[in-house]
Amino acid sequence: DIQMTQSPSTLSASVGDRVTITCRASQSISTWLAWYQQKPGKAPKVLIYKASSLQSGDPSRFSGSGSGTEFTLTISSLQPDDFATYYCQQYNSFPWTFGQGTKVEIK
Amino acid sequence: EVQLLESGGDLVQPGGSLRLSCAASGFTFSAHVMSWVRQAPGEGLEWVSTITGGGTYYADSVKGRFTISRENSKNTLYLQMNSLRAEDTAIYYCARGGGCAGSNCYWPDRWGQGTLVTVSS
Repeated sequence: DIQMTQSPSTLSASVGDRVTITCRASQSISTWLAWYQQKPGKAPKVLIYKASSLQSGDPSRFSGSGSGTEFTLTISSLQPDDFATYYCQQYNSFPWTFGQGTKVEIK
Repeated sequence: EVQLLESGGDLVQPGGSLRLSCAASGFTFSAHVMSWVRQAPGEGLEWVSTITGGGTYYADSVKGRFTISRENSKNTLYLQMNSLRAEDTAIYYCARGGGCAGSNCYWPDRWGQGTLVTVSS
């Protein structure tokens, strides 16, 4: 199975900050990586697919990059609505695997 | 508008069975791969199963106990869960998408709101 390792597990930041979350795969997954945002009591919502493609309707302050085994999610200017938990997921092969999550908290 | 509505979650005793349903609307259900993903209370996301045109796939943790199926005439996805264990307690989400075809792979791009399964005596 492909292991996905996210860092950090928790991130404290202020509105307006630039935030970066890292996800590492235990083997190459090309660009078959998605990023999700999840708020308490809600279903995950896709932000980024194919490592760097922004899901339709999502704000352009979210961006993704990387290929192979190293990936990043960047929020260019953190907004109040962005405080949530973020997950990466590889869909290169079954079993799909997710990172353990990064909780973005208010500083 | 794409909608996925899960149902069937309940409190069940260890060793019991449950069938989850996911009613789909707003898209051509029969043309899409469908998946189940779960989330234990306070924990992260765990893929459970996917049904494609070519077959079915399962996480090792549920293989032999869970069965994914679909009824395209009713636009409905199912998850039959047998021999339930305490560690199966989770919110179960159905999601549209998954699998690889040719040189492309597909992500779960729409998710339902989930249904809660609690396994406890």
